Amino acid sequence: GDSVTQMEGPVTLSEEAFLTINCTYTATGYPSLFWYVQYPGEGLQLLLKATKADDKGSNKGFEATYRKETTSFHLEKGSVQVSDSAVYFCALGRDSNYQLIWGAGTKLIIKP
Amino acid sequence: ETGVTQTPRHLVMGMTNKKSLKCEQHLGHNAMYWYKQSAKKPLELMFVYSLEERVENNSVPSRFSPECPNSSHLFLHLHTLQPEDSALYLCASSPGTSGTNNEQFFGPGTRLTVL
Repeated sequence: GDSVTQMEGPVTLSEEAFLTINCTYTATGYPSLFWYVQYPGEGLQLLLKATKADDKGSNKGFEATYRKETTSFHLEKGSVQVSDSAVYFCALGRDSNYQLIWGAGTKLIIKP
Repeated sequence: ETGVTQTPRHLVMGMTNKKSLKCEQHLGHNAMYWYKQSAKKPLELMFVYSLEERVENNSVPSRFSPECPNSSHLFLHLHTLQPEDSALYLCASSPGTSGTNNEQFFGPGTRLTVL
């Protein structure tokens, strides 16, 4: 069945460092892919999404490219800030199903 | 109010109490969800409603009872809970339940502590 695998956290970086959080998926066909972010004490917010191969989703300086050949959707940011400290979730959605398949989440800690 | 709201934000209850969590969405969506988020565990989908009808119940214990009186409101009724039920309960909504309508919008959650 469908699944999503994220890199384990926590990931600890210094401010202005380059960020990559890996996400790979197992699925047939062409699912939609999402990154959600959860700031401390809050619910999840959609950060970005991509609905077909080679699409690049971007928002707030974050980017992720839907790579069909490597079944990946890695999240990147060129220069992180302390305010980016949060838990990041990768998720997969299908046209035929309402459920999102969730990764376990990766906690990101940015130190000043 | 905009988006998805949840009340209360925090709840402490004893194992013999009965309480309810409330969720309201102001987005005109047709589907609503309850999730349980426990520390160091993946997000768990509990219930899904589409157009006020339950379409999914992921083997959730009967001490959790959902109610969806209309497409904007969702409740989770709690009774005789166990300490292991302590978690963050998240409500979400989406425009529909299939196709490109499965993007979900979340409320801030209710932090539940069962003593």
